Amino acid sequence: DAGITQSPRHKVTETGTPVTLRCHQTENHRYMYWYRQDPGHGLRLIHYSYGVKDTDKGEVSDGYSVSRSKTEDFLLTLESATSSQTSVYFCAISEGGGRAGNRPRNTEAFFGQGTRLTVV
Amino acid sequence: AQSVAQPEDQVNVAEGNPLTVKCTYSVSGNPYLFWYVQYPNRGLQFLLKYITGDNLVKGSYGFEAEFNKSQTSFHLKKPSALVSDSALYFCAVRANTGGFKTIFGAGTRLFVKA
Repeated sequence: DAGITQSPRHKVTETGTPVTLRCHQTENHRYMYWYRQDPGHGLRLIHYSYGVKDTDKGEVSDGYSVSRSKTEDFLLTLESATSSQTSVYFCAISEGGGRAGNRPRNTEAFFGQGTRLTVV
Repeated sequence: AQSVAQPEDQVNVAEGNPLTVKCTYSVSGNPYLFWYVQYPNRGLQFLLKYITGDNLVKGSYGFEAEFNKSQTSFHLKKPSALVSDSALYFCAVRANTGGFKTIFGAGTRLFVKA
């Protein structure tokens, strides 16, 4: 899946504990995204990054924080996990469009395999 | 604010028949529009996109989509459905005005019956 690795792939954690999910890319893409997927809601954007140390909130950012200290890594942290954060989490990357020399940069997103998080 | 609507939770079609999965959007400026497909227990796979130019765009696996600016729609189509097309389909929009947030619809489940 386009050089994107999410870890862990599955996690069960207790309410109130902190949890960090990792997304690692080998594509050198500028943009990285964290989404959660829930039945009836599709994919909802949590946070995204448009460069190292440059991040912004998405649609459902409450209870989540992110960090991007290197181009290749985008971390999602649940400060104090709640049962409502039980979900499947997807990381995505994108070049973001524009051009790199003579080559147009991709605008579409490429997704990781997902992390299934259960908060009990 | 950006938004995407997929008005049908589920679309049922017989194999060999044409299929349409509907999508409407709201965004400031000119939109970037995308369709993705998700098979069970997998991440999303890119199908096709509209950035500019011809309103009819062709993508993977024989799918195509028609951009209609006046109706703010971007419906996904295929002339002849296959059982293997059964999956969850997502429409997505990204504003062309900075920020580069990509917002997804709730998804439409396509069932193709043999």
